[in-house]
Amino acid sequence: QVQLVESGGGMVQPGMSLRLSCEASGFSFSSNGMHWVRQAPGKGLEWVALISYNGDNKYYADSVKGRFTISRDNSKNTLFLQMNSLRGEDTAVYYCAKDKGANAIITNDYWGQGTLVTVSS
Amino acid sequence: DIQMTQSPSSLSASVGDKVTITCRPSQTINNYLSWYQQRPGTAPKLLIYSASNLQSGVPLRFSGSGSGTVFTLTISSLQPEDFATYYCQQSYSTPVTFGQGTTLDIK
Repeated sequence: QVQLVESGGGMVQPGMSLRLSCEASGFSFSSNGMHWVRQAPGKGLEWVALISYNGDNKYYADSVKGRFTISRDNSKNTLFLQMNSLRGEDTAVYYCAKDKGANAIITNDYWGQGTLVTVSS
Repeated sequence: DIQMTQSPSSLSASVGDKVTITCRPSQTINNYLSWYQQRPGTAPKLLIYSASNLQSGVPLRFSGSGSGTVFTLTISSLQPEDFATYYCQQSYSTPVTFGQGTTLDIK
């Protein structure tokens, strides 16, 4: 069965960096686009970034553009999110989510359990 | 960016009731619309994609309809496990955007 397991969350000070990982299993990882979606405490869902199946195409929310970088290693079935210059408003649970499609966005059919990132001094 | 407006924001209902949640995108999105259910402390779960396609394993009491700029999620007969928050999402263009959520609780 499809499994997505995030790791790398934690508490950091404003301005610092963090790298999240999402290890995938149970499907052909290199065939699907992958997303990061976040949820601030008590708030709704906010899409963060998308990477195509082969890593050639990447898209970002304006709120993270220039600070966050999405990447993937298809040989290790792993998705990454490098987060730099972190701000208090980046505090959230970060989910990785699989897309049904490869290049085109269809829907997020599987989600990980999430990893909490807290940015505070 | 495409804004997604859900209504109502909250809803109280009883087991066995039929409920409908509406999602209105700020521009046409064809049928690039998904619905998710999120129970407290857990990850979102896909219910409906491409406006009306039921995700594998999701009970038949869930259905989706609509196109263009008005979409609905209907639960035909509420079960205790359906009390949760529901989100719509457009995947027509980036940035992908979600509705603000509809919290369904027990009357």
